Amino acid sequence: DTAVSQTPKYLVTQMGNDKSIKCEQNLGHDTMYWYKQDSKKFLKIMFSYNNKELIINETVPNRFSPKSPDKAHLNLHINSLELGDSAVYFCASSQDLGATNEKLFFGSGTQLSVL
Amino acid sequence: LAKTTQPISMDSYEGQEVNITCSHNNIATNDYITWYQQFPSQGPRFIIQGYKTKVTNEVASLFIPADRKSSTLSLPRVSLSDTAVYYCLVGVNTNAGKSTFGDGTTLTVKP
Repeated sequence: DTAVSQTPKYLVTQMGNDKSIKCEQNLGHDTMYWYKQDSKKFLKIMFSYNNKELIINETVPNRFSPKSPDKAHLNLHINSLELGDSAVYFCASSQDLGATNEKLFFGSGTQLSVL
Repeated sequence: LAKTTQPISMDSYEGQEVNITCSHNNIATNDYITWYQQFPSQGPRFIIQGYKTKVTNEVASLFIPADRKSSTLSLPRVSLSDTAVYYCLVGVNTNAGKSTFGDGTTLTVKP
């Protein structure tokens, strides 16, 4: 079974639309994340979510909102999509939050293309 | 969070040993050093982690000098399938806004 799975794998949509990406982890981890990887391969953390505590990267537009129905799921909802939102979005999880020896487990990514 | 510096790219040939060095001059006392590997169209995958001296697993070795201001990931006898981007992270404080991957090193293994 895949440890961290996210859907869809590819998402093509028009500017202005609202879309969601789903993520599930079966590792029993307490913390989940969303990362964005742009065309230059830079990986940037967007959110971390631990025990109902959401920590937001201040550079993330408020059009992006994570939603966690339970500890194993962290979905990403994006409103009013813009061209610059085109990127690969990765979901990840770790056992805990804040320790300097945390190991991150990533999903296979969602390629978002905004036309 | 300690800033890391790695070579942007490296080339190697099958069967060779590859060493990728990461500089992290302002590493904090309690920071661990973690390396990830990313293949095209996949998420990063944990390879190895260490705090000091040497760590070895079935995939790689990690060498950390006494001052801990740098670290070297060593891949023995690489194959074509080791072609990937390798990221060095120091002090993985995973609070959003504080954890970021560096530029990474694109390793290309040639036949």
